[in-house]
Amino acid sequence: DTAVSQTPKYLVTQMGNDKSIKCEQNLGHDTMYWYKQDSKKFLKIMFSYNNKELIINETVPNRFSPKSPDKAHLNLHINSLELGDSAVYFCASSQLGVSGANVLTFGAGSRLTVL
Amino acid sequence: LAKTTQPISMDSYEGQEVNITCSHNNIATNDYITWYQQFPSQGPRFIIQGYKTKVTNEVASLFIPADRKSSTLSLPRVSLSDTAVYYCLLLTNHGSSNTGKLIFGQGTTLQVKP
Repeated sequence: DTAVSQTPKYLVTQMGNDKSIKCEQNLGHDTMYWYKQDSKKFLKIMFSYNNKELIINETVPNRFSPKSPDKAHLNLHINSLELGDSAVYFCASSQLGVSGANVLTFGAGSRLTVL
Repeated sequence: LAKTTQPISMDSYEGQEVNITCSHNNIATNDYITWYQQFPSQGPRFIIQGYKTKVTNEVASLFIPADRKSSTLSLPRVSLSDTAVYYCLLLTNHGSSNTGKLIFGQGTTLQVKP
């Protein structure tokens, strides 16, 4: 069973369109994240939800709107897509460990290409 | 927020031991040193985490000196399949809260040659 699954894996679309990426985790974790990885391989956190509540909201354009219907799902909707939105978007989840800091489990990524 | 610094790239040959050092001069008391591995077209995968001294698992060892201002990931006898990007980051233990902010650096691209 896939622990963190995201769909679609690949997404090619035109500038100005609106698109969504979905994420689901079956690990029973309380916290979920969206990360963006650009062409230079830098991974940057965008959002974090804990039990459906938004707890981290980085400096991300308002065109990006996350939604968490329940703690196992975190979706990302992007309005009016721009060329600079082209990247790989990773979903992740975590649960605080008993003996240490929380460890993230990542999905396989969704590669978004805006033409 | 505490940042980490690691070499951009490293080359090695099959069968060798690889050591990747990470600097984190401003590490906080509640920070845990964590390493991730990322293969092309995949998400990062947790390798190892430690707080102090030495931690070893089936994949790697993590050496942390007493001052905790640096750490070294050691991969024994690497193979071609260990070619990947390795990220060092600090995860903060907030007790019962999971609101720790996570910062990935640029990582170290390890190329293992035959």
